[in-house]
This record gives sequence, structure tokens and C-alpha cells, in this order.
Amino acid sequence: EDKVVQSPLSLVVHEGDTVTLNCSYEVTNFRSLLWYKQEKKAPTFLFMLTSSGIEKKSGRLSSILDKKELFSILNITATQTGDSAIYLCAVVSIQGAQKLVFGQGTRLTINP
Amino acid sequence: DTEVTQTPKHLVMGMTNKKSLKCEQHMGHRAMYWYKQKAKKPPELMFVYSYEKLSINESVPSRFSPECPNSSLLNLHLHALQPEDSALYLCASSPFDGRGNSYTFGSGTRLTVV
Repeated sequence: EDKVVQSPLSLVVHEGDTVTLNCSYEVTNFRSLLWYKQEKKAPTFLFMLTSSGIEKKSGRLSSILDKKELFSILNITATQTGDSAIYLCAVVSIQGAQKLVFGQGTRLTINP
Repeated sequence: DTEVTQTPKHLVMGMTNKKSLKCEQHMGHRAMYWYKQKAKKPPELMFVYSYEKLSINESVPSRFSPECPNSSLLNLHLHALQPEDSALYLCASSPFDGRGNSYTFGSGTRLTVV
């Protein structure tokens, strides 16, 4: 059975801190790993990772994938209160059809 | 157009009602999905349509009936739901080009069954 595990499940830090969120996976026929940010409604796309060792960056956020060890990390530097959200890791696998399997999410709270 | 549009945004229905959720995209995506998300939980896959054909049904009860009339539209017909079916229902689409591609989510329908 496909499995995506995120850690920590919850994290509280102060504004300006740097955080690292973890995602490990065991899936059949891996295609890609996606990171999403979810506040009140639908998840919003952050990154798609398909190749090992290539860092993706967007402003203060960055992410990297290790396909040998089957994990990914999402880094946020100089955190702001607007970064408070649930961060979801999801993996695209192909089992007859393509499906997206989500981890449990990390609830990140940034205190001023 | 880079959006997935879901209607309605909110729905309250009784256990004997029949209602439908709608999802539309005009990005030329050939895979469309229904997810159910309960509070403080990640989205759970319900159905996958690939090229307008149902390709995955994650053992969803028959009171949920999906329909894909064409490549841009996806419906979820609801009948005789239970209060525990109250959740955020998310639609998503993807290009399905087999190279590991990104998904686009709609803003969801928040369903309350009374």
C-alpha cells in the first residue's frame, strides 16, 4: 500500500526562524513528489520534484528530493506569520491510473 | 484559464436529498479527481477519471456517484448521505502526460449533511 509520512505533525516557531519539514514515502511506480500549502480552503501548489538532488527555490522556500532514500524536505527561511498553514506532501504514483497520495500534513504556526 | 472551478462553494443537504457537485476546467487536462477532506486530515482520494473514463474508485460507497460528461466537466452526484459525509470535497485535474506532472485543485465545496 502506498504510504507518505510527514514529520513533525505540528511545529510552533517564532517569526524569523528557519524551519525544515520532512516527507518520506513508499509508493509503487513513483512519478513525482509535490508540496502544497493549505490554509482555509484548497491546497495551493508550491513545488513539484521529479529528480534527485536538484533544489527547487521560490523566494524563502526551497525543497529537494532524495529518490535513493525516499524522502524530501521543505525549508522555509526567515519565517513570517503568513507562513502559518498546513504543509502537505503528496506523491504521484501510477497504478493503472495516476493517483496523488497525501501525507498527514505538518501544521506550522509562526508566532510574532 | 488556469483554474479549476467548483460549484457550489457551500451546500447543506438533508439525508433524503439528492444533490450534485460540479467541477470544470479548461486547461485541456485529461485526468480529473474527486477528493474528500475531513477537518484536520489530509485529502483522501475518492475517484479518478482518465480520458473521461473512471479508472480508480477507492471503494467509495454507492451513495456517491461520479460522472464525467466530457473532458472539461466532472460531477459528483449525492444521494442518501449520512452526517459523517460532511466534509470539504475537492476536485483536481492534471495533464496526465506521464512525466510526473502537477495537479490543480479547485477551492472545494463545503458539504454539511443534516
